[in-house]
Amino acid sequence: QKEVEQNSGPLSVPEGAIASLNCTYSDRGSQSFFWYRQYSGKSPELIMFIYSNGDKEDGRFTAQLNKASQYVSLLIRDSQPSDSATYLCAVIGGGTSYGKLTFGQGTILTVHP
Amino acid sequence: EPEVTQTPSHQVTQMGQEVILRCVPISNHLYFYWYRQILGQKVEFLVSFYNNEISEKSEIFDDQFSVERPDGSNFTLKIRSTKLEDSAMYFCASDGQNQETQYFGPGTRLLVL
Repeated sequence: QKEVEQNSGPLSVPEGAIASLNCTYSDRGSQSFFWYRQYSGKSPELIMFIYSNGDKEDGRFTAQLNKASQYVSLLIRDSQPSDSATYLCAVIGGGTSYGKLTFGQGTILTVHP
Repeated sequence: EPEVTQTPSHQVTQMGQEVILRCVPISNHLYFYWYRQILGQKVEFLVSFYNNEISEKSEIFDDQFSVERPDGSNFTLKIRSTKLEDSAMYFCASDGQNQETQYFGPGTRLLVL
């Protein structure tokens, strides 16, 4: 069974710090990797996607992918209290997965003032 | 900004009853999905839909479930005979870019009594 694993946290960081969120996946054929943010009681909101090894930056967010290690991470720079949420790692597996997203259980991030 | 909409936001039903959850995907999107999230658990894939047919379905999506795109805008999920364990948040998602970058609707919270 294809799995996506995240540390459930909670991860607590002070305002202005860098938050580092990690994710591993079991399907070596996975091609597409996503980070979603989910506030309590709300739907997942797409933050970033990454397809290639290396780093991808978008504003305060940087996604990092290492396919050899089957590892993807999200860095949030200058963390704000409004970043407090659950961060979901999601993967589209290899083969004919027709866009099926497999989610991790999420990491709860708390940014304290 | 275009968004996925879902109705109703909340639905309470008796066990054994049929429910229909409705979604209006983003207008130029071609790929449609249903996911569910039981309280405190992972977001789980149910089904993907493209070109008026199911592309892939999970083992959760048994004979009690069906999907339909009855017109050019709506995308529905029907549960024929609800069970207690169907209680969850149901999210619709759509994607216009070759099965990547799925955008989620706000969800329907289903409670089966």
